[in-house]
Amino acid sequence: KQEVTQIPAALSVPEGENLVLNCSFTDSAIYNLQWFRQDPGKGLTSLLLIQSSQREQTSGRLNASLDKSSGRSTLYIAASQPGDSATYLCAVSNSNTGKLIFGQGTTLQVKP
Amino acid sequence: DGGITQSPKYLFRKEGQNVTLSCEQNLNHDAMYWYRQDPGQGLRLIYYSQIVNDFQKGDIAEGYSVSREKKESFPLTVTSAQKNPTAFYLCASTMTSASSYNEQFFGPGTRLTVL
Repeated sequence: KQEVTQIPAALSVPEGENLVLNCSFTDSAIYNLQWFRQDPGKGLTSLLLIQSSQREQTSGRLNASLDKSSGRSTLYIAASQPGDSATYLCAVSNSNTGKLIFGQGTTLQVKP
Repeated sequence: DGGITQSPKYLFRKEGQNVTLSCEQNLNHDAMYWYRQDPGQGLRLIYYSQIVNDFQKGDIAEGYSVSREKKESFPLTVTSAQKNPTAFYLCASTMTSASSYNEQFFGPGTRLTVL
């Protein structure tokens, strides 16, 4: 059974710092991996999608990497800003149904 | 303006009542999903539908029912059989191709509280 873990559960950094969020999964036979952002009381916003054949994806200050063999993905945020404060969720799909299995998220606080 | 809408934003249910949560999308997506989010537990899949008039149970389907009569609509009914329905409910959709599923998009959510 696929399990997704995100460590740490919470992270607080000063503005301007570069940071890395971690996601690990137990079954390397994935279709894709998606990173989301969630603000309090809101829905999820898709940040990046990495297909199983890809190693990384970039969007602005965000870069996500995927290492299927080790069951790991990282989300790199460059030059963090207070507006980046949110919960970041990692989810994997390991079948052609599109079903996502989620980690519990990392809550990020960027202090001005 | 394309997207996924969920209504209502807040919903209060009395013990023994059935309630229905609405989810509509105008993205022309084939597949739709319902997830439940509880504090500290992440999101868990309730039901999903890959095509009209067909749907499958997810990991926590007991006490819930769905229908998919139209491509753009996937309502979720929380029945009185659901023992602990208080949670944040999220609807999602994705475009499908012959061999893979693409980026999944989410609605704004409905917060259900049992009184």
